Amino acid sequence: GENVEQHPSTLSVQEGDSAVIKCTYSDSASNYFPWYKQELGKRPQLIIDIRSNVGEKKDQRIAVTLNKTAKHFSLHITETQPEDSAVYFCAAYRPTGNQFYFGTGTSLTVIP
Amino acid sequence: GAGVSQSPSNKVTEKGKDVELRCDPISGHTALYWYRQSLGQGLEFLIYFQGNSAPDKSGLPSDRFSAERTGGSVSTLTIQRTQQEDSAVYLCASSPLGAGGETQYFGPGTRLLVL
Repeated sequence: GENVEQHPSTLSVQEGDSAVIKCTYSDSASNYFPWYKQELGKRPQLIIDIRSNVGEKKDQRIAVTLNKTAKHFSLHITETQPEDSAVYFCAAYRPTGNQFYFGTGTSLTVIP
Repeated sequence: GAGVSQSPSNKVTEKGKDVELRCDPISGHTALYWYRQSLGQGLEFLIYFQGNSAPDKSGLPSDRFSAERTGGSVSTLTIQRTQQEDSAVYLCASSPLGAGGETQYFGPGTRLLVL
């Protein structure tokens, strides 16, 4: 089966700095990698995703990179703001069984 | 349009009682997933429905847990003889196709507390 590992578990950055969260996966058949942001007491919300035929995707201050050979993908947030503070989850989708495998989450704190 | 909805939003029950949690997916979404999220933890997969096919129950932690999906739409997750370790947030998600890695849309969750 698939195994997704996420690091770090907690991350604190100063406002305006960049934040990077990394995930690795084990199953080379996984082909879709979404990132979710979950604010305290709220539902996970998709913030960006990437498919296995793409190496990088950017949406304003958020970008995701994928290295299929090394089986890792990363979330990059630039010019962080206090409202970026939340728990971020990565996931890997394996077509066999239509299953999503989630990382254990990163608690990001942006210090004003 | 309306997103995924879940009810109740909060449920407090006594150990040993049965509970039913409901999920209304986005209209037209054929795939429906249930996850459990314990305090400060990640998402634990429970069960997956794809249309009218037999569900993937591989994540259910014990035979006290069951789920059904009527008419390919609304789903209910039932926990029998609840235990304190069942306390968690139960999240439902739906996606339009399931196959092809389509985006999951999450409901707000049901916070279950077993006393």
